[in-house]
Amino acid sequence: QVQLQESGPGLVKPSETLSLTCTVSGGSISSYYWSWIRQPPGKGLEWIGYIYYSGSTNYNPSLKSRVTISVDTSKNQFSLKLSSVTAADTAVYYCARADAAYGDYEYWGQGTLVTVSS
Amino acid sequence: DIQMTQSPSSLSASVGDRVTITCRASQSISSYLNWYQQKPGKAPKLLIYAASSLQSGVPSRFSGSGSGTDFTLTISSLQPEDFATYYCQQSYSTPRTFGQGTRLEIK
Repeated sequence: QVQLQESGPGLVKPSETLSLTCTVSGGSISSYYWSWIRQPPGKGLEWIGYIYYSGSTNYNPSLKSRVTISVDTSKNQFSLKLSSVTAADTAVYYCARADAAYGDYEYWGQGTLVTVSS
Repeated sequence: DIQMTQSPSSLSASVGDRVTITCRASQSISSYLNWYQQKPGKAPKLLIYAASSLQSGVPSRFSGSGSGTDFTLTISSLQPEDFATYYCQQSYSTPRTFGQGTRLEIK
């Protein structure tokens, strides 16, 4: 059974960089699209971007200037960096696996709340 | 970006009711439409993919239909565990986008 687990600081200061890692277990990181999705408290879901195991990426244009997603296949991990954060970036951040054929998200991490505050 | 609009935004229903939630895309997305259920404090759970395919392990009372721009999620007979928020998501193009959610509450 594939499992995803987010890890990283729960509190980030304004203007700093948010960094999260997603560790994949129970399956290989190869041959799928690996995504980050976030959800501000009490609000809906926002797609941040994805990385293919080969390293190709696709980002939401609304965040593109601040986002970097990378993959480490040797560790079965992928990571998110979001720079110059503000309070508007406070959210639960999920990592998820997208099916290559239909783009649906069958596997999700439990989510991690990141709060941007001084 | 493709905009996804769900209706209604909230819905009150009783156990045993038949419920339909609608999702409309701002342009044609063929059948690249997925439905999720989310309960408080939990990650979304995939219910339906490719507009009408039932995800493994999901009860058969859930069904999806539609193509192009108009889609529906139907729950044939509501059970107590179905009270949650439901989201549609298009996977036709990037950026992937979600509907704003439909909150299904107990009447």
